[in-house]
Amino acid sequence: EVQLVESGGGLVQPGGSLRLSCAASGFSFGDYSMSWVRQAPGKGLEWLSYISSTGHTIYYADSVKGRFTISRDNAKNSLYLQMNSLRVEDTAVYYCARAPNYDFDYWGQGTLVTVSS
Amino acid sequence: HSVLTQPPSASGTPGQRVTISCSGSNSNIGSNTVNWHQQLPGTAPKLLISRNNQRPSGVPDRFSGSKSGTSASLVISGLQSEDEADYYCATWDDSLNGAVFGGGTKLTVL
Repeated sequence: EVQLVESGGGLVQPGGSLRLSCAASGFSFGDYSMSWVRQAPGKGLEWLSYISSTGHTIYYADSVKGRFTISRDNAKNSLYLQMNSLRVEDTAVYYCARAPNYDFDYWGQGTLVTVSS
Repeated sequence: HSVLTQPPSASGTPGQRVTISCSGSNSNIGSNTVNWHQQLPGTAPKLLISRNNQRPSGVPDRFSGSKSGTSASLVISGLQSEDEADYYCATWDDSLNGAVFGGGTKLTVL
């Protein structure tokens, strides 16, 4: 069974940093590209970043480019999102998703990030 | 504003047929396949339709998808109360080099 479990969310002050993790199991992690997607309270889904299976191809949404960094460790079956210079508007539930062919075929349960002073 | 346009709401009575539209452009829907995701209240999204019209294992055949040009549609036939959820279309945008979502459609079963 495919499982994606996010962790690392929490309360952080504006300008602060946070690193999210996504632990994958139930499939060959190194064979799949992955993405991060977020959902602000009461709002829709917003794609943030994509990383290919090897990590060689990476894309970011304009809203996080230069502030967020996606990475992966295939030996540890893990995906990461380093978030710097956080803003109040980054408050959201952050999901990792398996993304073959740029689709999202499995989602994690999400981790809540709250940016507030 | 979302790159893909969906109606914010839709509704129907049990047993009815409901259609949710998703409108895009040549760089997204016109060039790539469309997925639909269902988000039940308080839960994570779940893939409902992939590659325009493919149902993943376990998705009832009441759900179907189609694409024509720069638009796509999700049809729910024989609406059930448990179908009350938010529905999102998604695809890749070749101009933006990123995935794009519709704003979501809140489906209410009356």
